[in-house]
Amino acid sequence: KAGVTQTPRYLIKTRGQQVTLSCSPISGHRSVSWYQQTPGQGLQFLFEYFSETQRNKGNFPGRFSGRQFSNSRSEMNVSTLELGDSALYLCASSSTSGEKTQYFGPGTRLLVL
Amino acid sequence: AQSVTQLDSQVPVFEEAPVELRCNYSSSVSVYLFWYVQYPNQGLQLLLKYLSGSTLVESINGFEAEFNKSQTSFHLRKPSVHISDTAEYFCAVSDVRGNTPLVFGKGTRLSVIA
Repeated sequence: KAGVTQTPRYLIKTRGQQVTLSCSPISGHRSVSWYQQTPGQGLQFLFEYFSETQRNKGNFPGRFSGRQFSNSRSEMNVSTLELGDSALYLCASSSTSGEKTQYFGPGTRLLVL
Repeated sequence: AQSVTQLDSQVPVFEEAPVELRCNYSSSVSVYLFWYVQYPNQGLQLLLKYLSGSTLVESINGFEAEFNKSQTSFHLRKPSVHISDTAEYFCAVSDVRGNTPLVFGKGTRLSVIA
């Protein structure tokens, strides 16, 4: 089975721009979670989607949003980028919303200049 | 709510020596526990997990962790490390009852010295 894939792998943007990141879960997995990883804050939960519905949301401003499609693929969007949004964004999938074993993709590294 | 404390941010160790990476958690309910490993420029890989049953869990590459409910710990051990074990290790916890997200520790950077 193919693992979780994320595109693009690297991205450079400037302040004020917006960005969309994509995640394709493992085939058959319906839950997708997003995390932000930075050296200072570590791994922080952004949101989780299950069957196209947001099930959980972390403590991030409204500039961070996401969605999930009927094929379980998910996108996250960050609008009005700030320097502090520079991070590794990780996507993880699991087979059900209650299943706790999450499988991670390689991440998208975002640099905001 | 759960929380995780990884007591050491960095652990240097010589090759073939044993290592222990410490993890303590806090939770008012029963939990699932995980260790993930992150190699440079990669995502997180599941190393091992405790869901139920035997409190000692093992990975395929020689790591083991023991769930200790009374001490609320889930320390990771390996009797003999290799250079290839150099990576960052994350302990994570979630509660067994609801649809709450994983909570991660800050990570421990293991550096294996030849």
